[in-house]
Amino acid sequence: KAGVTQTPRYLIKTRGQQVTLSCSPISGHRSVSWYQQTPGQGLQFLFEYFSETQRNKGNFPGRFSGRQFSNSRSEMNVSTLELGDSALYLCASSETGRDTEAFFGQGTRLTVV
Amino acid sequence: LAKTTQPISMDSYEGQEVNITCSHNNIATNDYITWYQQFPSQGPRFIIQGYKTKVTNEVASLFIPADRKSSTLSLPRVSLSDTAVYYCLVGEEGSSNTGKLIFGQGTTLQVKP
Repeated sequence: KAGVTQTPRYLIKTRGQQVTLSCSPISGHRSVSWYQQTPGQGLQFLFEYFSETQRNKGNFPGRFSGRQFSNSRSEMNVSTLELGDSALYLCASSETGRDTEAFFGQGTRLTVV
Repeated sequence: LAKTTQPISMDSYEGQEVNITCSHNNIATNDYITWYQQFPSQGPRFIIQGYKTKVTNEVASLFIPADRKSSTLSLPRVSLSDTAVYYCLVGEEGSSNTGKLIFGQGTTLQVKP
């Protein structure tokens, strides 16, 4: 069974631009969560989607948004990029959410210059 | 705000048992405790999950005291390939089962020959 796929793997953007990251979960998984990982802040929860609905959101500004499609694929968007948004963005999928095993993708490395 | 605390680093030798403790004094009442392993340039990988008492699988054990304000991941007979960063993950008090998740800052385990 294919794992969680994130695209693209690497991305370089300029301050002020926007970016969209994609996550394809494991087949049959309806929950997709997004995380930001930086050396200074570690792993931080962004938001979780389940059956196309955002169930909760972490402490990130409104520039960070996401959505989930009917096939459970999810996208994350960051608008008006700042240098501090440079990070590894990880998504994880699970069958129903936090009470089931989550599988992470390899992440998208975003660099803002 | 919830605070999840782990030791920053630990050293061990091959064949030894390693115990990593995470303090999570503000864990959500109905939430699980999950531990992940992460290697460089990879997404975190699920190790074990529990709610209370003790859970054991083929790779680790998880000990959770009655108050659930901490948990201990136990890795029996570690090998060089267990050198990685280990994270605990809990839900924040005040949230439902689908609320915000808090990662510990990660424990870098170095296994020596």
